[in-house]
Amino acid sequence: GAGVSQSPSNKVTEKGKDVELRCDPISGHTALYWYRQSLGQGLEFLIYFQGNSAPDKSGLPSDRFSAERTGGSVSTLTIQRTQQEDSAVYLCASSLRLDGSTDTQYFGPGTRLTVL
Amino acid sequence: AQSVTQLGSHVSVSEGALVLLRCNYSSSVPPYLFWYVQYPNQGLQLLLKYTSAATLVKGINGFEAEFKKSETSFHLTKPSAHMSDAAEYFCAVRARSGNTPLVFGKGTRLSVIA
Repeated sequence: GAGVSQSPSNKVTEKGKDVELRCDPISGHTALYWYRQSLGQGLEFLIYFQGNSAPDKSGLPSDRFSAERTGGSVSTLTIQRTQQEDSAVYLCASSLRLDGSTDTQYFGPGTRLTVL
Repeated sequence: AQSVTQLGSHVSVSEGALVLLRCNYSSSVPPYLFWYVQYPNQGLQLLLKYTSAATLVKGINGFEAEFKKSETSFHLTKPSAHMSDAAEYFCAVRARSGNTPLVFGKGTRLSVIA
């Protein structure tokens, strides 16, 4: 079956512009996660969804970052007024359940964001 | 709070040699542990996971890892490296209870020399 897909694969934007990153999880997966991968920093957890609800937004780096999920499926990560330090690969993952601690998280290929 | 330390940001081995990638965790209660691999320009793929059954876990592509509670370690090994193993490897932990995300180490880049 289809895996996690993300779009766009690459995004180049100018400082100060807003960007939207999209994630399509595996069908039937109720849990969805966003991570950021910066050079030399590993993977940084941003936010997770159980269904359409995001119980904990404390991982978002600033109030310029927001995320939503609709219909228990597609999720959008929005970055407003982008800064150069936002440049990174943004990874989305999904798993069958949020409270299934052993459930495998399946990752998408990521969106590479470059802020000029 | 949980954390993961991967010793060595870059490991280089010869083709056919043993691969050893180190991972130590910090947690008051032994967590669930995972190893992921990331090939260039691709997402992360699960290699194996420890969920408190056998302490020696076998994964895909000939990799295995052993959970050692006394050493708080979960090192990844492969007896004989192949050129196709060149990638970035991430160790991750997750608490056994509660709605917690994966906590990743900073990754180890494996190079395989012909």
